[in-house]
Amino acid sequence: AQSVAQPEDQVNVAEGNPLTVKCTYSVSGNPYLFWYVQYPNRGLQFLLKYITGDNLVKGSYGFEAEFNKSQTSFHLKKPSALVSDSALYFCAVRDSYTGRRALTFGSGTRLQVQP
Amino acid sequence: KAGVTQTPRYLIKTRGQQVTLSCSPISGHRSVSWYQQTPGQGLQFLFEYFSETQRNKGNFPGRFSGRQFSNSRSEMNVSTLELGDSALYLCASSLSSGIGTGPSGANVLTFGAGSRLTVL
Repeated sequence: AQSVAQPEDQVNVAEGNPLTVKCTYSVSGNPYLFWYVQYPNRGLQFLLKYITGDNLVKGSYGFEAEFNKSQTSFHLKKPSALVSDSALYFCAVRDSYTGRRALTFGSGTRLQVQP
Repeated sequence: KAGVTQTPRYLIKTRGQQVTLSCSPISGHRSVSWYQQTPGQGLQFLFEYFSETQRNKGNFPGRFSGRQFSNSRSEMNVSTLELGDSALYLCASSLSSGIGTGPSGANVLTFGAGSRLTVL
């Protein structure tokens, strides 16, 4: 089975400060990991993904994520938050070894960046 | 390049009615997935179609069905609507099916803006 957990319903950060949105996963084999962002009344937009290789993945809009196999985590980070980053963020996982698995999403974390 | 287009964007139905939602994928994308998003349950997978064949199905009752046409456009249908079916229905397309082992599992899903269904 595959699953993903986002332990924080909401993260509050001041503009200009670094931000971290947490994600942990569980898979039988090796994971394919994704981050998506959703703005109000919009669909999900792809930010970045991890397949293999470097543990630090760089994505859109200055976001990056760090893959940690021993901690089964894939936290989303940004060095300096913007008010426009305020949105709902979803982590997702797919097991690379199983044959019939759809992408599984976490429950989402609402990021609020205060001016 | 046009994105994923979902129609209608908003609709209101009453209990017992049925609804059909449409999704036009990005040109060249052959896989279409459907997700239901609700505040309580989050994003739940409904089904995926690839080359007009349903490749995978989530844990939803038989009232939820879908199909894909030869031009990769997809529709989903919900019959005998219940209040709990009120949700944002999201369609996503990708180049190939994410089902199966190997690199296709890393395909990025491109989502449409969704169809917001309200059941009264």
